Amino acid sequence: ETGVTQTPRHLVMGMTNKKSLKCEQHLGHNAMYWYKQSAKKPLELMFVYNFKEQTENNSVPSRFSPECPNSSHLFLHLHTLQPEDSALYLCASSQDLWVASGGAKMNEQFFGPGTRLTVL
Amino acid sequence: DAKTTQPPSMDCAEGRAANLPCNHSTISGNEYVYWYRQIHSQGPQYIIHGLKNNETNEMASLIITEDRKSSTLILPHATLRDTAVYYCIVRVSGTYKYIFGTGTRLKVLA
Repeated sequence: ETGVTQTPRHLVMGMTNKKSLKCEQHLGHNAMYWYKQSAKKPLELMFVYNFKEQTENNSVPSRFSPECPNSSHLFLHLHTLQPEDSALYLCASSQDLWVASGGAKMNEQFFGPGTRLTVL
Repeated sequence: DAKTTQPPSMDCAEGRAANLPCNHSTISGNEYVYWYRQIHSQGPQYIIHGLKNNETNEMASLIITEDRKSSTLILPHATLRDTAVYYCIVRVSGTYKYIFGTGTRLKVLA
């Protein structure tokens, strides 16, 4: 257990559905991240939040909508997805963004187990 | 950002040392080398990181060459539970971005 939980672990949805992925961290961290891992591709950073404020949107299509109501929770709202959006979606958290603390171990990212999303 | 290259796969006998190489020939002076691993169906897990000096923790050792153009992650006594994809990542100091590559798939054999 890394202290980062994600629900659901598996999700199958149609292209017209609306669903949400949830991430919760129990580590008291200030920064949270969404990553996408497609089959046979490297992890791609999607969004970054620091103290509930979005600091990065890595050119993610608008059909993915993040929400960070507080430093412990992060959501990814999904609507009108495409089959190519099928992937493992990973949430991570870190004490701070690394800008603040250089290379200290405290800035390692703790990943959740991911949500395996299949879009039909 | 500096890029890393790793062999796509490696095998290691259980109980032996696993040495995973990584080339980062374009690394600059303020860039750290991080290693993570991803066991099947789990999120990536931090292993170790370093800048210039060799580092050791309870999980592994990291050997960085003097010119910093390559590094080796050493798992001293590999177990079956070490079977995973290992990622070598270079991160610019002052940024939070990891640039993940495709990693090395390590298979520990009984």
